[in-house]
Amino acid sequence: NAGVTQTPKFRVLKTGQSMTLLCAQDMNHEYMYWYRQDPGMGLRLIHYSVGEGTTAKGEVPDGYNVSRLKKQNFLLGLESAAPSQTSVYFCASRQGGEQYFGPGTRLTVT
Amino acid sequence: GENVEQHPSTLSVQEGDSAVIKCTYSDSASNYFPWYKQELGKRPQLIIDIRSNVGEKKDQRIAVTLNKTAKHFSLHITETQPEDSAVYFCAPRGGNAGNMLTFGGGTRLMVKP
Repeated sequence: NAGVTQTPKFRVLKTGQSMTLLCAQDMNHEYMYWYRQDPGMGLRLIHYSVGEGTTAKGEVPDGYNVSRLKKQNFLLGLESAAPSQTSVYFCASRQGGEQYFGPGTRLTVT
Repeated sequence: GENVEQHPSTLSVQEGDSAVIKCTYSDSASNYFPWYKQELGKRPQLIIDIRSNVGEKKDQRIAVTLNKTAKHFSLHITETQPEDSAVYFCAPRGGNAGNMLTFGGGTRLMVKP
């Protein structure tokens, strides 16, 4: 039981490049979330999903897209990366009370 | 949306002292009140949580108290140890469609040996 995993762990992009972050969970959870955490700040919700095939916008969705084609996977896409998207990205899943976080992806956009 | 504030933003205590962090929220429909601990470079980890029908919950050296009328809840750590040094976040869950947590800005706790 791996819990929540994220791929990749680190990535450096140039402005304008695109990439996809993968989140996978093996706990059969319905809810999944993508957050970003900037230095010295709390986590801010980008997008979330309440089940397979559903997605919704969170607090800071601009510049990101998501897909939940399979229940166990939640993908976060950046179509045209900007330096303002330099951050640590955390994925989480939930069923019931506790939310379980992945280890994070550190993204730098130059 | 939910507005969440944490105080203080930094807290320095001597080993063995107690530490208290307060979280205020705005959504009266909030029904779940967790506290997360995040060590440097690591993911947030749930350390204690409380639901709206309970006023206090304790787990060894940590406790959470809830005042729904005043819309705040607090984290209490007794007999602090150097390994308690970390950033702590409150993240109440409001009455929203995605059952989303809204994170506070964090409190950096430093325990001096």
